[in-house]
Amino acid sequence: GAVVSQHPSRVICKSGTSVKIECRSLDFQATTMFWYRQFPKQSLMLMATSNEGSKATYEQGVEKDKFLINHASLTLSTLTVTSAHPEDSSFYICSARNEGANYGYTFGSGTRLTVV
Amino acid sequence: GEDVEQSLFLSVREGDSSVINCTYTDSSSTYLYWYKQEPGAGLQLLTYIFSNMDMKQDQRLTVLLNKKDKHLSLRIADTQTGDSAIYFCAETYQKYSGGGADGLTFGKGTHLIIQP
Repeated sequence: GAVVSQHPSRVICKSGTSVKIECRSLDFQATTMFWYRQFPKQSLMLMATSNEGSKATYEQGVEKDKFLINHASLTLSTLTVTSAHPEDSSFYICSARNEGANYGYTFGSGTRLTVV
Repeated sequence: GEDVEQSLFLSVREGDSSVINCTYTDSSSTYLYWYKQEPGAGLQLLTYIFSNMDMKQDQRLTVLLNKKDKHLSLRIADTQTGDSAIYFCAETYQKYSGGGADGLTFGKGTHLIIQP
């Protein structure tokens, strides 16, 4: 079945540094990938839609300069949290749309980011 | 806007059936999904149903869709301790009138608690 690999699964970084999270579709091509953020005890919130070869589309309230998204190939999207602060600590999950399958969406395993 | 509602907790005895309910607002949803999230992990797609179906059964899982009432349910037969997790209902929605990529709207998740 379709697999999305997300790395790293867990990262701790210092305030002010940047962290890159990778999302790869392993056995299918994904022109569209999605980045979600999950706050404790809350649902997933869509942050942005990553489009291969073009700019990402950000949801309202998400700072595009802070959460840089690059979707340079059909199998890889990256989310870079720039100048991270403790309030950026969260669980980030990516998903990719498998356009060859009926139901489409496959999720990565998530990245737990802790900013200290 | 889109909205998906589900109760936050459900407690059942091991061996009983669990029924997790969800209501949604977007009548144009094409697919509705149930995802399972175990602690600290990403989402796992459990099952999905196309909007023109009323019911779908997959081993211990039964999905019922009442499109008139915009109500979706997930029944887990013979609930086991391994079923303890958070279950998310999600619907697709058309983000852009020009036919852009769909996104997913999630409910807040139902925490299924299994009693011995």
